[in-house]
Amino acid sequence: SQQGEEDPQALSIQEGENATMNCSYKTSINNLQWYRQNSGRGLVHLILIRSNEREKHSGRLRVTLDTSKKSSSLLITASRAADTASYFCATANTGGFKTIFGAGTRLFVKA
Amino acid sequence: DGGITQSPKYLFRKEGQNVTLSCEQNLNHDAMYWYRQDPGQGLRLIYYSQIVNDFQKGDIAEGYSVSREKKESFPLTVTSAQKNPTAFYLCASSRVLGGTGNQPQHFGDGTRLSIL
Repeated sequence: SQQGEEDPQALSIQEGENATMNCSYKTSINNLQWYRQNSGRGLVHLILIRSNEREKHSGRLRVTLDTSKKSSSLLITASRAADTASYFCATANTGGFKTIFGAGTRLFVKA
Repeated sequence: DGGITQSPKYLFRKEGQNVTLSCEQNLNHDAMYWYRQDPGQGLRLIYYSQIVNDFQKGDIAEGYSVSREKKESFPLTVTSAQKNPTAFYLCASSRVLGGTGNQPQHFGDGTRLSIL
């Protein structure tokens, strides 16, 4: 069963613009993670935000978490063509023994 | 450099044949995972292992088998019982399993399996 669901499914923007992706989940979590996947490659961990945190930054990435709405957003500022990839949010099932990934947002940044 | 190595990158299976996908990690991680990814979809968990000589079924284990004889290695066998094996298979590892919540996972670059 899917826990995280990303929105939109696909996003196309111009280089230099900001990209925002959203993730909704169903059950209580200890933390939420975002990953990036370049075409034909494995996933790369980007950032982890704990349930008691509301916002976290890492370089051009900004993640927010609203546990009351069971949602998170990933903002990539000043996007580059190299940011073209799929982005996934991931949460843990009850007990934290399995990580559950959403279907992802496909981001295309046009040069 | 530490990381996860999956091989081969591409694999073709004949009908009725079992094939084995290799996954090796040198990160000294206890937990390892196998996922299946179909086009345009997220990852589905096949098997996971918390420690050597222990593994558990994930959400779609039917038609697959694994072993965990060494900490570094977690091979996946796609058996002839798996009728729709064409997919991208990803192996991952994390320092531990569970605990205070899901741990960040490190991924290999996948094996793409197709049917001949």
